[in-house]
Order: sequence, then structure tokens, then C-alpha cells
Amino acid sequence: DTAVSQTPKYLVTQMGNDKSIKCEQNLGHDTMYWYKQDSKKFLKIMFSYNNKELIINETVPNRFSPKSPDKAHLNLHINSLELGDSAVYFCASSPGPGSYEQYFGPGTRLTVT
Amino acid sequence: QKEVEQNSGPLSVPEGAIASLNCTYSDRGSQSFFWYRQYSGKSPELIMSIYSNGDKEDGRFTAQLNKASQYVSLLIRDSQPSDSATYLCAVNRNNYQLIWGAGTKLIIKP
Repeated sequence: DTAVSQTPKYLVTQMGNDKSIKCEQNLGHDTMYWYKQDSKKFLKIMFSYNNKELIINETVPNRFSPKSPDKAHLNLHINSLELGDSAVYFCASSPGPGSYEQYFGPGTRLTVT
Repeated sequence: QKEVEQNSGPLSVPEGAIASLNCTYSDRGSQSFFWYRQYSGKSPELIMSIYSNGDKEDGRFTAQLNKASQYVSLLIRDSQPSDSATYLCAVNRNNYQLIWGAGTKLIIKP
């Protein structure tokens, strides 16, 4: 009965490839997020959608493109992968404006070789 | 000055003692404060939220908030080895965004 799920859990790929990570939440939340956590463990916000509308778009290379087909799903597509993209990517969700607590998926460990 | 600051640690505490984790924040307009626990190789897990000045207790955990001093803390009583993890402090910036501290690594020594 997973609340926030991500696929795949692990992703190993070569430089220059294009890959996607998928996220789904069954909590009925309106807001979803993508975070990047690098080897130093700092959580960096990348994007956020509220009810399918992009509301946070931090300084991220335009090789990263989020897409929210509905409020329960948020996907992340990465073009032309680089070594520096290696990290753990977390999806999270929160109820919506005024409710700030966020619930995280299990993460996707991306390794670019 | 970072928006949310935590001592990176590691903080080493004997089993059974009280672990005290601290966090300061810069935005006086922040209204919501959270503590997350992250085990190695796992995702952050919400353990406490606090919105008003004072203490909030939940089992062995107590969150303390002092808005005048822009300070929030987490106390863990009767620390167990299973409490060993990185603890992340998060503070709301606006309606959607949390600002995260870098985390404090806590080690409970048996």
C-alpha cells in the first residue's frame, strides 16, 4: 500500500543517453516535487507541480524536463546524461497550499558512467 | 548566511541518553517547521512537525520552537541504536516550498 512510489529504483546508464524516472502518489495530494540528493546528502529542490501546473522551477539544466499528466503522477525526463547527474532523485508529495509536510518516495539512484 | 543551518555532526550520544539536535532559520515569516529522519540509503521520513512556540511531544521525541530566536530543536529521549541516522530540519518558505538544512548525522553508541 505504497504512498509515493518511484520507478526504477536503480538506473545505470552511459553518458549521452536519455532516461526517464516515474513517480506516482496515492495520497490524494495536490502538490508533487522532484529533489536531487548528491553525495554530500544535501536535498536540492528541482521542480514542483500543483495540480498539474508547474509552480517551482529551480535553476536546473534544461536537459531536465518534468511532466505531470495528472495530479497523481510526476515524471522526470533527462536528456544527454552527464557524469554530474549521478545522484539519488526523490519524488515527494504534499497535500497542497497551506499544508507543507512532504512525503517522499523511495528514491531512484542514477549512476552515469 | 544559509537559510536553514544545522551542525553537520556527527553527534555521538550514548545509548539511553538524550540526543539534542538544533536548527536555526533566517526567514522570520516561516510558520511551519519539520524534522525528518533519513537512514543511510533510504528516503527522508517525517517524524515531527511544529507550528507554535513551545514544546511538542510524541513518544520519545520532543520538538521545541522559539520563533523569537529563530530556533527549532529536536530532543530524543532514551536514545536507541536504531535512532542512528541523519536528521534533517525543514522550514516553509512559501505555500509550496520547504527549505532544508544540510542535516545532522546522529550516532548512538551502544
